[in-house]
Amino acid sequence: GDSVTQMEGPVTLSEEAFLTINCTYTATGYPSLFWYVQYPGEGLQLLLKATKADDKGSNKGFEATYRKETTSFHLEKGSVQVSDSAVYFCALSRGSGGYNKLIFGAGTRLAVHP
Amino acid sequence: GAVVSQHPSWVICKSGTSVKIECRSLDFQATTMFWYRQFPKQSLMLMATSNEGSKATYEQGVEKDKFLINHASLTLSTLTVTSAHPEDSSFYICSLTGESSYEQYFGPGTRLTVT
Repeated sequence: GDSVTQMEGPVTLSEEAFLTINCTYTATGYPSLFWYVQYPGEGLQLLLKATKADDKGSNKGFEATYRKETTSFHLEKGSVQVSDSAVYFCALSRGSGGYNKLIFGAGTRLAVHP
Repeated sequence: GAVVSQHPSWVICKSGTSVKIECRSLDFQATTMFWYRQFPKQSLMLMATSNEGSKATYEQGVEKDKFLINHASLTLSTLTVTSAHPEDSSFYICSLTGESSYEQYFGPGTRLTVT
């Protein structure tokens, strides 16, 4: 069945460092791919998404490119801030509509220090 | 985006009792709601999907008689854990979406501890 694997955390960085959180998936066909972020005490929020191969999703300085050939959707940010400290979840779904079932990775906790 | 609340945020109950968790949409007409379960350091696992006014659709391996879901209105869904046992202790998260929406909106979660 479909699955998502992401790097284990926690990831600890200094402010302004470069961030990469790896995410790979297993699925037949062409799923939609997502990154969600969960700040302390809050619900998951959609950070960015890509619905077809080679699409790049971007938001708040974060970006991820849908790589069909490597079945990956790695999250990157050039310069992290303390406010980026959160748990990041990679996910996939069979369609782009909100009613489609989401399959999540285990989440990666990011801690950014001043 | 939609604002989603869950109540309670944390609950402790004794083994054998039932506990109800509410998921409310404060500003969004939620035609579809989802309930997830999350174990420590593991991913969110979808338990069931419910559409307003219809019976919930449960994922394989989820006991529908143990986890009762009621989606009574476009702004409220409840999850009742019946005859709770310690292995039901977990973090329960709801999400919702609406017609023509491309996004699910998540609640902050409810931590259930069964003693």
